[in-house]
Amino acid sequence: DQQVKQNSPSLSVQEGRISILNCDYTNSMFDYFLWYKKYPAEGPTFLISISSIKDKNEDGRFTVFLNKSAKHLSLHIVPSQPGDSAVYFCAASSPITSYDKVIFGPGTSLSVIP
Amino acid sequence: SQTIHQWPATLVQPVGSPLSLECTVEGTSNPNLYWYRQAAGRGLQLLFYSVGIGQISSEVPQNLSASRPQDRQFILSSKKLLLSDSGFYLCAWSVPPPLSSGNTIYFGEGSWLTVV
Repeated sequence: DQQVKQNSPSLSVQEGRISILNCDYTNSMFDYFLWYKKYPAEGPTFLISISSIKDKNEDGRFTVFLNKSAKHLSLHIVPSQPGDSAVYFCAASSPITSYDKVIFGPGTSLSVIP
Repeated sequence: SQTIHQWPATLVQPVGSPLSLECTVEGTSNPNLYWYRQAAGRGLQLLFYSVGIGQISSEVPQNLSASRPQDRQFILSSKKLLLSDSGFYLCAWSVPPPLSSGNTIYFGEGSWLTVV
């Protein structure tokens, strides 16, 4: 049973436009969420996180929005750049497991077209 | 600053052979440690996590095992590899989080395993 879902395997966006990557979760106990970026043959790197006490967190070109009632979060990248082309993973954790256990979604491959 | 290293970076092993992937973290003490696997075209699957020496939580039944012989060392092993064990294995660490906040984990460079 997949607790963190990213239903779009891939996304293509023109350079300079907005990229929106979506993530849904099923476990209502999740209250901390993270986004990671991964290039081929490298380890994922942390981008941005959000706690359930917030509905928005912003860091430069990256903004994460959280809709707790819908169990949905999204990552916005504005403006998109060719270097943003990578696989993006959504992840979640819960105080039930003391946040020790971090569950990842299947990822969305973003291509930013110059 | 903290660093994480895992090795070997790539290996090709025959079916039925043993496996040992090692991971060490520097610059921190008592970290949480993790092993994830990314199979071809798939997401990151949590295999094991450890909150202390000798404390291993297994997430999926499989042909693999993990051990934590020292505070900052995490080892992924198998006695007999299967073809389905092929994939990209990632070690990760985090500072144990306080109960009121979340956990950010940091990944190593990854190890490519091809079982032939």
